[in-house]
Amino acid sequence: GQQLNQSPQSMFIQEGEDVSMNCTSSSIFNTWLWYKQDPGEGPVLLIALYKAGELTSNGRLTAQFGITRKDSFLNISASIPSDVGIYFCAGLPPFGGSQGNLIFGKGTKLSVKP
Amino acid sequence: DVKVTQSSRYLVKRTGEKVFLECVQDMDHENMFWYRQDPGLGLRLIYFSYDVKMKEKGDIPEGYSVSREKKERFSLILESASTNQTSMYLCASRGAGASYEQYFGPGTRLTVT
Repeated sequence: GQQLNQSPQSMFIQEGEDVSMNCTSSSIFNTWLWYKQDPGEGPVLLIALYKAGELTSNGRLTAQFGITRKDSFLNISASIPSDVGIYFCAGLPPFGGSQGNLIFGKGTKLSVKP
Repeated sequence: DVKVTQSSRYLVKRTGEKVFLECVQDMDHENMFWYRQDPGLGLRLIYFSYDVKMKEKGDIPEGYSVSREKKERFSLILESASTNQTSMYLCASRGAGASYEQYFGPGTRLTVT
């Protein structure tokens, strides 16, 4: 089946640094979503992307839907300690996949050093 | 705001017990999902439902069943809990239409001893 490769698996950065992570696939996707999961909590939707090339911001977060439709990027500017958590990408395959179900990446674990 | 609630945040059960995990959403969403989350394996879909009384198997349905008697409630049942079902269980819901955004509950961390 289709898979999403999310990288890096983990990041350990200094407070104030910018962060970049991405999701790639060998297949195209029609929708890309980015979630954040705080420790011990459920994932929370950060950004949704619906068109190839789309660039969307949410505060210090910016995500892009790759022009090839096979990748997506999430950037966090000027990281702060509360950015700590696991960031997941999720994609919707063409034709809605199975009942419109999402495929999830395995996550990028972000740690921030004050 | 969409609100998805799960009946327990933490649960400890013994091997062989029947376990019920409840999920309720307040946004009149048609679609509901159960995932389990394990380190290194990400989110794996157990079952989903796109309407009342309808259910579909996900990627790892073995050892689980589900029930959806009302639109707002989706239950996950472990018929006979085993230690390899120790995991974080996440419920999600999604409305019908062109938005495929899923909204998650806070999760239930289940330990089977």
